[in-house]
Amino acid sequence: QQKVQQSPESLTVSEGAMASLNCTFSDGTSNNFRWYRQHSAKGLEVLVSIFSDGEKEEGRFTAHLNRANLHVSLHIREPQPSDSAVYLCAVSPIASSSFSKLVFGQGTSLSVVP
Amino acid sequence: EAAVTQSPRNKVAVTGGKVTLSCNQTNNHNNMYWYRQDTGHGLRLIHYSYGAGSTEKGDIPDGYKASRPSQENFSLILELATPSQTSVYFCASGDETVSGNTLYFGEGSRLIVV
Repeated sequence: QQKVQQSPESLTVSEGAMASLNCTFSDGTSNNFRWYRQHSAKGLEVLVSIFSDGEKEEGRFTAHLNRANLHVSLHIREPQPSDSAVYLCAVSPIASSSFSKLVFGQGTSLSVVP
Repeated sequence: EAAVTQSPRNKVAVTGGKVTLSCNQTNNHNNMYWYRQDTGHGLRLIHYSYGAGSTEKGDIPDGYKASRPSQENFSLILELATPSQTSVYFCASGDETVSGNTLYFGEGSRLIVV
C-alpha cells in the first residue's frame, strides 16, 4: 500500500525567503502528484500538479519530481504571511486503474513571519 | 461561488445518536468522496462514489454509511455516533482524466461526539 511521508512537520521561514517542503512515497509506479494547501479551518486548494520527472511551476509554487528517488518537493518563492498554512502532498497510482485514489501525506505546517 | 458545500459546518452529537453530514457539488463531477482529518493521521478516505446510486468503501468505512441520491449530493451517515468519530470531515468531488484525479474540497464539517 502506498505510503506518503512529508518533512519537515513544521517550518518557519522569513517573508521573502524560499520555503522548501519534501514528500517521499513508497510506490515508484505512482504517476501523478499534487500539492494542496489548507488554511486553518478551511478546505484544501490544489496548488500544483506534476505527472513527469522534472519541474512544474504555477506562479510562486514550483514542484520537483524525481521518481527514481521516490521524492517530490514543493518550493515557494517569496513566501508571504498569507502563505502560512498546512501543505499536503497527495499521490495517486497509475491512471490505468479504474479509479485512482489519492493518498495524502500528514502535512507540513508552514509559518511565514514578517 | 463555492463549488463544494458541506452542511452542517459544526455539529455536536451525543453518543449513540444519528448524524448525517451533507455535501453538494456544482462541478458536475462524477466522483465524490468523504474524508476525515485527524492529527497524526492526515486525510483518510471513508467512502466514495462513482455517480448517482453508487457508493464504495474507502480505507476506513467501519461505522459509516454513505448515500449518493443524485449527481450533486453525497451524504455521510453515522447511525450510532461514537466519541472516536469526533473529527473534521471533508467532502470532495473530482473526475478521472488521463492525468489522474484532482479533487476539489469543501470547507469541512467539524463533528464533536460527546
